[in-house]
Amino acid sequence: AQTVTQSQPEMSVQEAETVTLSCTYDTSENNYYLFWYKQPPSRQMILVIRQEAYKQQNATENRFSVNFQKAAKSFSLKISDSQLGDTAMYFCAFDSGGSNYKLTFGKGTLLTVNP
Amino acid sequence: DGGITQSPKYLFRKEGQNVTLSCEQNLNHDAMYWYRQDPGQGLRLIYYSQIVNDFQKGDIAEGYSVSREKKESFPLTVTSAQKNPTAFYLCARRDRGHSNEKLFFGSGTQLSVL
Repeated sequence: AQTVTQSQPEMSVQEAETVTLSCTYDTSENNYYLFWYKQPPSRQMILVIRQEAYKQQNATENRFSVNFQKAAKSFSLKISDSQLGDTAMYFCAFDSGGSNYKLTFGKGTLLTVNP
Repeated sequence: DGGITQSPKYLFRKEGQNVTLSCEQNLNHDAMYWYRQDPGQGLRLIYYSQIVNDFQKGDIAEGYSVSREKKESFPLTVTSAQKNPTAFYLCARRDRGHSNEKLFFGSGTQLSVL
């Protein structure tokens, strides 16, 4: 079974600075998908960014980017120019693709952006 | 709402009672999912359904049941056999597209035991 590990239960960053959240996963698959989801205090789960394992280029979405290291099975999220609204729980998630599509989540990292 | 609606927002269960959480989607998607969230545990998969009248157990299905009689509806019943039901429950739909598969989540139901 796949596992997803987020080794940082909590992190904090000053507004306008850059922060990186770590995620590692374990799989024997070659093709799969990786995600970062954000859960603000409202508890709504919001997709931040998505990466396909067969793509070498790291995904970016505005201030959010990933560092995908397939051989190391590492998938970190970088948030640039942090904003107060970025304060949330961040979950890394893995999907092996195929017909039984289902996400396996890490335990999350609580990010606090300080003014 | 991302095309998926959960109700109620808060639900209370008495000892020995079954309760049902509602999940509806209006975008004609086939696949739907139920996750449970506990503090410090992340999200864990309870059940999922790829098509009408078919569903599969996830990692923590014991004490739960589901049905999928209509494509747009995937209700979750928390039975009296679930001894620790207090949690936040999230329903999701799968958005499929070329190189664009992802899950969209509802706003969740907080279930507490009286």
